[in-house]
Amino acid sequence: DAKTTQPTSMDCAEGRAANLPCNHSTISGNEYVYWYRQIHSQGPQYIIHGLKNNETNEMASLIITEDRKSSTLILPHATLRDTAVYYCIVRLMKTSYDKVIFGPGTSLSVIP
Amino acid sequence: NAGVTQTPKFQVLKTGQSMTLQCAQDMNHEYMSWYRQDPGMGLRLIHYSVGAGITDQGEVPNGYNVSRSTTEDFPLRLLSAAPSQTSVYFCASSRLSSYNEQFFGPGTRLTVL
Repeated sequence: DAKTTQPTSMDCAEGRAANLPCNHSTISGNEYVYWYRQIHSQGPQYIIHGLKNNETNEMASLIITEDRKSSTLILPHATLRDTAVYYCIVRLMKTSYDKVIFGPGTSLSVIP
Repeated sequence: NAGVTQTPKFQVLKTGQSMTLQCAQDMNHEYMSWYRQDPGMGLRLIHYSVGAGITDQGEVPNGYNVSRSTTEDFPLRLLSAAPSQTSVYFCASSRLSSYNEQFFGPGTRLTVL
């Protein structure tokens, strides 16, 4: 699986867009980009995933660069409840199930 | 649906004691897994199962056993607890066809003295 690199922490003002970057320069053609988040003391929560097209759902938007070597998760109007650790993961849709999929992630603090 | 449930929420053990962490899901998911989370290390996969009667090891399986007698339940057993097993444990489940979209339980915080 391709390795991902994320900033350790970020701040965002409440009501503004939070843009969380992820580098995955070794991604292969059939690997997807997944995003999860983990609010303090809770289990991780799946947010969104994509292959090469931009994706949007009720929680967030995912922008993947044309060369697929990086992506950005966008929370369009961050609220205090979006304060969490965000994990970027690159995975094949079907692969060996025994691989670890979560790294340290980005700790996002939404500031009033 | 209750989703993924875990019991207990908190547990304190003495070194050498054994216990079972319970995990259940009501979504008829084939895939279930156990992770442990330690500060600064993300989540590490302990064991996983792709269906009833099938289990396999993840990255950090030593000191843990699992079984999957039903689709719904996936208990994690600590055979002889050690302080190094102090951690937060998460159970997760998903459909096998989309196993990267996992649903996580609320976690069990375990302290081994």
